[in-house]
Amino acid sequence: GIQVEQSPPDLILQEGANSTLRCNFSDSVNNLQWFHQNPWGQLINLFYIPSGTKQNGRLSATTVATERYSLLYISSSQTTDSGVYFCAVQGYSGGGADGLTFGKGTHLIIQP
Amino acid sequence: DTGVSQNPRHKITKRGQNVTFRCDPISEHNRLYWYRQTLGQGPEFLTYFQNEAQLEKSRLLSDRFSAERPKGSFSTLEIQRTEQGDSAMYLCASSYTMSTDTQYFGPGTRLTVL
Repeated sequence: GIQVEQSPPDLILQEGANSTLRCNFSDSVNNLQWFHQNPWGQLINLFYIPSGTKQNGRLSATTVATERYSLLYISSSQTTDSGVYFCAVQGYSGGGADGLTFGKGTHLIIQP
Repeated sequence: DTGVSQNPRHKITKRGQNVTFRCDPISEHNRLYWYRQTLGQGPEFLTYFQNEAQLEKSRLLSDRFSAERPKGSFSTLEIQRTEQGDSAMYLCASSYTMSTDTQYFGPGTRLTVL
């Protein structure tokens, strides 16, 4: 099946810093989503971005499908940005629809 | 739009007991997914429904697990003869295939098997 690798696994930053999280995937995808998992376990949708670039406030994401990677940018970090960020992809599977395959996540800690 | 809801939020059971979880998807979403997440890992796909039809099952879904989605609305996930290894967060998601097929997740049910 499709493989998803996220880097870095852990990231500790001071409030106000910028960060870039990376997601590499092993095959063509028809769905790529970025999530933020809060301390209570809720997965919060950030972006649906199988290709192209999107921005939402301090967050933006870019997926280069031909090179099989996606980047999530967080600018002017706040302590509430802390948590685990997951990249999840869905590959083409001959007409069927498998579920999302998740990476292991990036654990982000923003210190005041 | 009230989002995906799951009940119960927490379940503690003894090994060997049966448990059932419920998921209510976003209304009009035709696809419903179940995932399992263990500590320190990303969620893993278990199974999904399109309307009332169960179309895919992961190898993770042993014979002790069964899922239903009667009438294509809410879904239930039952685990029979629970084992300690079943302890995990069980997540439900739904999507609407006539749109971007973005999956939206519920808050999860945390299962602890003693």
